[in-house]
Amino acid sequence: GESVGLHLPTLSVQEGDNSIINCAYSNSASDYFIWYKQESGKGPQFIIDIRSNMDKRQGQRVTVLLNKTVKHLSLQIAATQPGDSAVYFCAENSGYALNFGKGTSLLVTP
Amino acid sequence: GAVVSQHPSRVICKSGTSVKIECRSLDFQATTMFWYRQFPKQSLMLMATSNEGSKATYEQGVEKDKFLINHASLTLSTLTVTSAHPEDSSFYICSARYWDTEAFFGQGTRLTVV
Repeated sequence: GESVGLHLPTLSVQEGDNSIINCAYSNSASDYFIWYKQESGKGPQFIIDIRSNMDKRQGQRVTVLLNKTVKHLSLQIAATQPGDSAVYFCAENSGYALNFGKGTSLLVTP
Repeated sequence: GAVVSQHPSRVICKSGTSVKIECRSLDFQATTMFWYRQFPKQSLMLMATSNEGSKATYEQGVEKDKFLINHASLTLSTLTVTSAHPEDSSFYICSARYWDTEAFFGQGTRLTVV
């Protein structure tokens, strides 16, 4: 799995702007990826997923891009809102378990 | 989506005592349940995977005698932290899934050992 840092990287964006959160994964055999949102003191909440046979998937205000060549995943949030402030994790499917990335703290300012 | 209920949401216990955390899948059968631990400002670290009716598989570095996991039914898994110490204070999160379908997470349990 990935190493865990002492501090989460933070992305600060203005309300209404688009946000892009990036994630690198390590296992080239992973075939399923998920983005989760975690608010303080709560469990992770599913946002969007993508399988390895796709390179892009869109949801409501969110888009996930997968680049298998460089093992990179990104989450794009359109028209970011204050309620989007949270920590975002990517996760890769490893067998039946999910392995989580380090996470990025998204702070939306008015 | 499906609901996974975790109880208690917060618990404070004395050093040396044991604490049990429950994880229930309310509207689906969880063939596999996972337990994660999360320290402040860090990611979720997988502790163990349990399949209903089988012994749990622990990740490297996780003491199976300290973190007892029971998955006796398709809707309930428990994690017991035995002889808890202050360094066990953490946020514990369970996850449940039916085979390889979407995994659903509980709301987490904040354990504080004093």
